Amino acid sequence: DAGITQSPRHKVTETGTPVTLRCHQTENHRYMYWYRQDPGHGLRLIHYSYGVKDTDKGEVSDGYSVSRSKTEDFLLTLESATSSQTSVYFCAISQSTDTQYFGPGTRLTVL
Amino acid sequence: QQQVKQSPQSLIVQKGGIPIINCAYENTAFDYFPWYQQFPGKGPALLIAIRPDVSEKKEGRFTISFNKSAKQFSLHIMDSQPGDSATYFCAARTVQKVTFGTGTKLQVIP
Repeated sequence: DAGITQSPRHKVTETGTPVTLRCHQTENHRYMYWYRQDPGHGLRLIHYSYGVKDTDKGEVSDGYSVSRSKTEDFLLTLESATSSQTSVYFCAISQSTDTQYFGPGTRLTVL
Repeated sequence: QQQVKQSPQSLIVQKGGIPIINCAYENTAFDYFPWYQQFPGKGPALLIAIRPDVSEKKEGRFTISFNKSAKQFSLHIMDSQPGDSATYFCAARTVQKVTFGTGTKLQVIP
């Protein structure tokens, strides 16, 4: 696997609480992405970053925010978790926009 | 809005068979078409990719066929093996984003 770690790997939380997921890379890749994976929907882009402090929204960004203060870390925050945000979250990195390398995923359950 | 349509949703083949997974797109700005393979509990991994100026690409037992005029592309797995059992995603890229299909769960029966 490319040098990508995600933390935590599993989390159970309650509706209305804030949640932060972390993606850490050791590859010094420029681009970082957050996706969610749900049955019947495939992988949907939440937010992405094309450099430190440079981020943009994906197709399902409502209820999520991101930050990238250094090259190696990309944080995804659920400001007030809802049950509809129960999902598996994947971080991905890429140097160009060709090949994306995915992390191992975080399984989030919102009760 | 689903910009990349993938079918079938699931597929069961016998060992040695040739599963075919199809994808269609509408956005002519897509310029790179990768396929990803995902095993249970793992993140997706790039399997093979094609650019629209090529009609076919082979890597080992995996072949992409690309029809630019029809805006369709497909993945063929020759001599499929039980170890190929996984979920396969097609995708299409514009400048900074990749749009994924909904995935096909393939099971290869020994």
